[in-house]
Amino acid sequence: QSALTQPASVSGSPGQSITISCTGTSSDVGAYNYVSWYQQHPGTAPKLIIYAVTNRPSGVSNRFSGSKSGNTASLTISGLQAADEADYYCSSFTGISTRVFGGGTKLTVL
Amino acid sequence: EVQLVESGGGLIQPGESLRLSCAASGFIVSSDYMSWVRQAPGKGLEWVSVIYSGGSTYYADSVKGRFTISRDSSKNTLYLQMNSLRAEDTAVYYCARGLDIAAFDSWGQGTLVTVPS
Repeated sequence: QSALTQPASVSGSPGQSITISCTGTSSDVGAYNYVSWYQQHPGTAPKLIIYAVTNRPSGVSNRFSGSKSGNTASLTISGLQAADEADYYCSSFTGISTRVFGGGTKLTVL
Repeated sequence: EVQLVESGGGLIQPGESLRLSCAASGFIVSSDYMSWVRQAPGKGLEWVSVIYSGGSTYYADSVKGRFTISRDSSKNTLYLQMNSLRAEDTAVYYCARGLDIAAFDSWGQGTLVTVPS
């Protein structure tokens, strides 16, 4: 199972919006509405911020939103804050026996 | 409060074995699906294995035949038995609790496994 494709890095200024893409195939992202997104600050464990494409866990800011079109899912962060600077990973259900992550995107807040 | 605490990592020689533990509190390990996810130094996340509430287990191709996921309901603990370790298994290993069918809503702090080349 190949990793999902994410841009290596994105950047934005405080207050702006950015979007991170996550491209898979018709066997993973395109086949299921089960894409999740994780935020990871250096030296810490990943934190779930979006699940089932568009859902936010309790306590996650509504500045984070998710969407999907075809084989590509997207994470949008609006009103960028310095604290948003982190690595972001997407993940998709690929069937009962496997999961797959994206390669990760480093977000820099300028 | 849900909490996951991994242990058992360390420096291990190629070909040797190691067992990781993940002690859970705030929920019942056997009632949810649980996974191990690893992260090599400076690299991205890699899914390793899953165990479902019914007991079915699955593995990434990179560890199939070498790693075994299991759980002990009496101790509310998840395990990962790792045999025939290789340098490419060097990583921080996280245990994670499943949410719906594909997301992981709680993660441990991770335990580092180092296998020198």
